[in-house]
Amino acid sequence: SQQGEEDPQALSIQEGENATMNCSYKTSINNLQWYRQNSGRGLVHLILIRSNEREKHSGRLRVTLDTSKKSSSLLITASRAADTASYFCATDDYKLSFGAGTTVTVRA
Amino acid sequence: KAGVTQTPRYLIKTRGQQVTLSCSPISGHRSVSWYQQTPGQGLQFLFEYFSETQRNKGNFPGRFSGRQFSNSRSEMNVSTLELGDSALYLCASSPKTGRFEYGYTFGSGTRLTVV
Repeated sequence: SQQGEEDPQALSIQEGENATMNCSYKTSINNLQWYRQNSGRGLVHLILIRSNEREKHSGRLRVTLDTSKKSSSLLITASRAADTASYFCATDDYKLSFGAGTTVTVRA
Repeated sequence: KAGVTQTPRYLIKTRGQQVTLSCSPISGHRSVSWYQQTPGQGLQFLFEYFSETQRNKGNFPGRFSGRQFSNSRSEMNVSTLELGDSALYLCASSPKTGRFEYGYTFGSGTRLTVV
């Protein structure tokens, strides 16, 4: 079974806009990771945030983590057409437990 | 350095047959994990191999099995295929097993279709 839920399931934005997606999880975590998947291909690791961190940045990506609410968010700023993909959060407890994913479409 | 290599990329099999998928991890990585991705169930963990030993197993029937060789390459086998086994099978490579503070590297997957 999956660890949690992601919200929204799908997101359509204009190039240049920001995209925000949320992830909730059920159990205590060691860390939480975000992955991107293009068109049913392999997953690409984007960013990892430890359970004792509240916010982390990597390029145009910003991830927050609220362990009291068991939730995380991923913000992609100044989106590009190449950001069109599905995004998954995953908790890491000797194996990855993934959310259902958010499908992001960036319109040119 | 070379990434994670999964072969074949696509596979079509008939119900009742068996199939073997292969995964070569990044050089130096000793852990290989397998995941199944379907539209209905999403991404689910199958099993992990480290140093030729299965370290972790997901909630899948015994028809799903795997092994790892001394060069860390891993194979997974599905016997007596069912239509519901149609999925994208992904393998992930990591330097070690257990909890660690970096992400996994995934292969491009094998798309299995059972007819």
